[in-house]
Amino acid sequence: DAGVIQSPRHEVTEMGQEVTLRCKPISGHNSLFWYRQTMMRGLELLIYFNNNVPIDDSGMPEDRFSAKMPNASFSTLKIQPSEPRDSAVYFCASSFRGTGDTDTQYFGPGTRLTVL
Amino acid sequence: QKEVEQDPGPLSVPEGAIVSLNCTYSNSAFQYFMWYRQYSRKGPELLMYTYSSGNKEDGRFTAQVDKSSKYISLFIRDSQPSDSATYLCAMRYSSASKIIFGSGTRLSIRP
Repeated sequence: DAGVIQSPRHEVTEMGQEVTLRCKPISGHNSLFWYRQTMMRGLELLIYFNNNVPIDDSGMPEDRFSAKMPNASFSTLKIQPSEPRDSAVYFCASSFRGTGDTDTQYFGPGTRLTVL
Repeated sequence: QKEVEQDPGPLSVPEGAIVSLNCTYSNSAFQYFMWYRQYSRKGPELLMYTYSSGNKEDGRFTAQVDKSSKYISLFIRDSQPSDSATYLCAMRYSSASKIIFGSGTRLSIRP
């Protein structure tokens, strides 16, 4: 099992540019999560999908952030336009959530984003 | 006040020592409690998962939950240099609610 795959692993961009982060969840998982980790704020949930449908996007900072999950094996997180305060490590995680079950989330290696 | 408070450390102990990591929380509605381990430049991985109060043991690791005091602990026995990592406590209200993470404690085990 390859685990959760994220790309790119590192991204350096200039303020105002569009950034797209990609995630491939573990095959068979039906829930996908996007997190952001910074020294100041720790690990925060941005949005999560269940069966490709966004369920809770209350953690998305503002309209500059958007996320899509066009199918069960792919998701993107887009920032447009990017700002220096968006610099962080962005993690994607996936899990299998059954009825009434508690789920274990498996995290990808993260994308380290630097906005200059 | 944050929902989950965790001392960031760093904590440095000699190999073989018993390590105690702790978190406090403010909302008594939390029912599920977790500890994640995060190595440098890696994603967090689930270490322990407990429901409600009590103890849970897995090898050298023991998780304790005291809901009356809103306090959770992770004990590591016979600590090894490979245990050096950041440990994040986490909790959730229900089995399907979002996970709230502590800020993490950086642990270093000296050989």
